[in-house]
Amino acid sequence: EVQLVESGGGLVQPGGSLRLSCAVSGFTFSNSWMTWVRQAAGKGLEWVANINPDGREKNYVDSVKGRFAISRDNAKNSLYLQMNSLRAEDTAVYYCARNTLTAAGDYWGQGTLVTVSS
Amino acid sequence: QSALTQPRSVSGSPGQSVTISCTGTSSDVGGYNYVSWYQHHPGKAPKLMIYDVSQRPSGVPDRFSGSKSGNTASLTISGLRADDEADYYCCSFAGRNTYVFGTGTKVTVL
Repeated sequence: EVQLVESGGGLVQPGGSLRLSCAVSGFTFSNSWMTWVRQAAGKGLEWVANINPDGREKNYVDSVKGRFAISRDNAKNSLYLQMNSLRAEDTAVYYCARNTLTAAGDYWGQGTLVTVSS
Repeated sequence: QSALTQPRSVSGSPGQSVTISCTGTSSDVGGYNYVSWYQHHPGKAPKLMIYDVSQRPSGVPDRFSGSKSGNTASLTISGLRADDEADYYCCSFAGRNTYVFGTGTKVTVL
């Protein structure tokens, strides 16, 4: 059974940092592109970032470039999103997903809520 | 990286068909045959319904179909059922291994 379990969300002040994790099982993580997608309350899904299987290629939506960093540990079957200089507009549920070329995500986690507020 | 344009809402009675449009540009929808569609119930994980414009993953009923013409993709739900009521999002490959989602459409079953 495929499972993706996000963790690390919570309340953080503007300008602060947070690190999200996604633990994966049920498919060959080390061969898979992975992605983060977010959804702010009352808004649509937004693709945030992805990373290739060996971690050398990383891509970001413009609004998070220079502030967020995606990474992975293939030995631990885990995906990460380091979020720095957080803003109120980063408040959202963050989902991790397996990224295929043809779809941003075919397997998805349940999401973790990040709230940026003073 | 502008969001693809979808109607805010569509509705239909049980058994009817509804079609959701997804309009982008030649840099995304029109440039690649990599359009996917997701069903999203609030509080749950999004579910892939269509990939490669018109392909259904295993387990997705053939009541769901996808197509594309130029810069606009479409998702049609036939034989509408109560449990089809959800938010639906299109997504397109946008080059350089990046993606862009649509604005989302709420499907209501009357």
